[in-house]
Amino acid sequence: QVQLQQSGPGLVKPSQTLSLTCAISGDRVSSNSAAWSWIRQSPSRGLEWLGRTFYRSEWYNDYAVSVKSRITINPDTSKNQLSLQLNSVTPEDTAVYYCARGWGFDSWGQGTLVTVSS
Amino acid sequence: EIVLTQSPGTLSLSPGERATLSCRASQSVRNNNIAWHQQKPGQAPRFLMSGASSRATGIPDRFSGSGSGTDFTLTISRLEPEDFAVYYCHQYGSIPYTFGQGTKLEI
Repeated sequence: QVQLQQSGPGLVKPSQTLSLTCAISGDRVSSNSAAWSWIRQSPSRGLEWLGRTFYRSEWYNDYAVSVKSRITINPDTSKNQLSLQLNSVTPEDTAVYYCARGWGFDSWGQGTLVTVSS
Repeated sequence: EIVLTQSPGTLSLSPGERATLSCRASQSVRNNNIAWHQQKPGQAPRFLMSGASSRATGIPDRFSGSGSGTDFTLTISRLEPEDFAVYYCHQYGSIPYTFGQGTKLEI
């Protein structure tokens, strides 16, 4: 059974960097049959896919256009986790952030409420 | 980007009744790559099914999915009290992945 455990700060100041981690158990971040995404949810935007990473002999990333210039998703094979970095945040980035597995998102992290405020 | 429109926005039913939730895509979804998720207040979404109709492990058979191309349906045959929640469809046929705005199923 796959479990995703998220961690990271719940408060980030405007213009700073949002950083979250998703620890994976029951699967490998480097699996050749999996992909790993970050998704956020807010009242104004609903559920919004931010990007994904996956390994097929080499690492690939895809990002949503809305955040492409500010986002980095990195795998950490030594810790079997993935990370999210979102730069230059504004109050509009306030949301609950989730990590999820696969294309159909068959496993979700517990969610992290991140508030962007000074 | 594929826009998913769910209807109705809110569905008011009673336990034991049948619920039919619709998800319409702005263009054909490749390989019918539609998933459905259930979300209760304060919780992460819960995966129900993918491939439009393949239920996840542990999901009761009163949940069924159908559809192809641009029109997809989630049916709950006989509502149980624990089924009242918000339901989202999501397409993973093309990047960027997108979600519908949700259907709230209320008692």
